[in-house]
Amino acid sequence: DSGVTQTPKHLITATGQRVTLRCSPRSGDLSVYWYQQSLDQGLQFLIQYYNGEERAKGNILERFSAQQFPDLHSELNLSSLELGDSALYFCASSVEDRIANYGYTFGSGTRLTVV
Amino acid sequence: AQKITQTQPGMFVQEKEAVTLDCTYDTSDPSYGLFWYKQPSSGEMIFLIYQGSYDQQNATEGRYSLNFQKARKSANLVISASQLGDSAMYFCAMREYEGGSQGNLIFGKGTKLSVKP
Repeated sequence: DSGVTQTPKHLITATGQRVTLRCSPRSGDLSVYWYQQSLDQGLQFLIQYYNGEERAKGNILERFSAQQFPDLHSELNLSSLELGDSALYFCASSVEDRIANYGYTFGSGTRLTVV
Repeated sequence: AQKITQTQPGMFVQEKEAVTLDCTYDTSDPSYGLFWYKQPSSGEMIFLIYQGSYDQQNATEGRYSLNFQKARKSANLVISASQLGDSAMYFCAMREYEGGSQGNLIFGKGTKLSVKP
């Protein structure tokens, strides 16, 4: 157990729907990062939050949004889902507003399947 | 432009032998960090090793070592004495400093390593 908790582990939904993925960072970590891993695009950084504030944005679609709550858990909202959104979504966390030399801790991911 | 290139989509290695997984990177930033992650079939991402751009020596972590050639912009992962449990996808990644953040990682496409008994 990495200490980063992602729920749900699997999600199957239809095109056009909206889903919410949840991430609880490791205890003491203030930063949360979201990544998408798809077959065609590989692993791509989506967005980072640090202590409740958006810190950096990557290749995140406008249909996607995220937030980090006062208790530091984060949610990634995906709307108007398309078949191409099917992917493994990872959350990672770190203590500071940067990745340490020992990497940061990934959760086990949420596998989203859009049908 | 792709910043991390892993040219080997798949590789085979005999158990107990050493294997090198290639990674080249592209950056104009003098300060950067390079990481290797392992992703078994179960899906989790496991940190293996880190190399900083200013580190004088190649990083080592147990059976993992990083062959860092700065002038060539390469950061190859060497796994010694391969084990069956080493069969997995391996990703090379670089820490990016864009936008003031020092937390983003740019990943390569990965190399699938299969260890044969």
